[in-house]
Amino acid sequence: AQKVTQAQTEISVVEKEDVTLDCVYETRDTTYYLFWYKQPPSGELVFLIRRNSFDEQNEISGRYSWNFQKSTSSFNFTITASQVVDSAVYFCALSEDTPLVFGKGTRLSVIA
Amino acid sequence: GAGVSQSPRYKVAKRGQDVALRCDPISGHVSLFWYQQALGQGPEFLTYFQNEAQLDKSGLPSDRFFAERPEGSVSTLKIQRTQQEDSAVYLCASSLGGGGLNQPQHFGDGTRLSIL
Repeated sequence: AQKVTQAQTEISVVEKEDVTLDCVYETRDTTYYLFWYKQPPSGELVFLIRRNSFDEQNEISGRYSWNFQKSTSSFNFTITASQVVDSAVYFCALSEDTPLVFGKGTRLSVIA
Repeated sequence: GAGVSQSPRYKVAKRGQDVALRCDPISGHVSLFWYQQALGQGPEFLTYFQNEAQLDKSGLPSDRFFAERPEGSVSTLKIQRTQQEDSAVYLCASSLGGGGLNQPQHFGDGTRLSIL
């Protein structure tokens, strides 16, 4: 069965600090996709990244970077030099070409 | 429009009433999804359409929940005889391709439903 665990419920950081959001997943399939979405206070989930199980290369996009490690079933998300606009709830999700299964989310508060 | 549009933004209903929630996906998007998001939780899948065909409704919590997408664009989620446990945010998402469930999805702002 698919499962996504985001152990950190809430994180607070001071602006310009780096922060890492953890995501651990469970799947029995060899082919699967991992996602990160951002949910700002407005409520709309914003797609950030999709990674398939055959591509373990880490990815960097501006201040955002993702570390995918199949050995530990983790897909962690790091924000470098955090900004107040990064404050939101962040969700990790998994699909085995099945409906997305989301974690419970991590609420990030960046304080000026 | 440019994004997924949902209406109403907020809905308050008395227990036992029927409600209808509307989703207008991004133009040209083949796939449409409905999710239920309880307070402090991640979204949970309800149902999925590819064009007008409802391919998966395994997440609908009871037969009081019904969704349709008759012309392959706008979709309506209907909840009959609402109960207090139906209170949640209902999110709609669409994706361009119909080839699988692993495509990035674009979400609307959601409808916050409160049952009194």
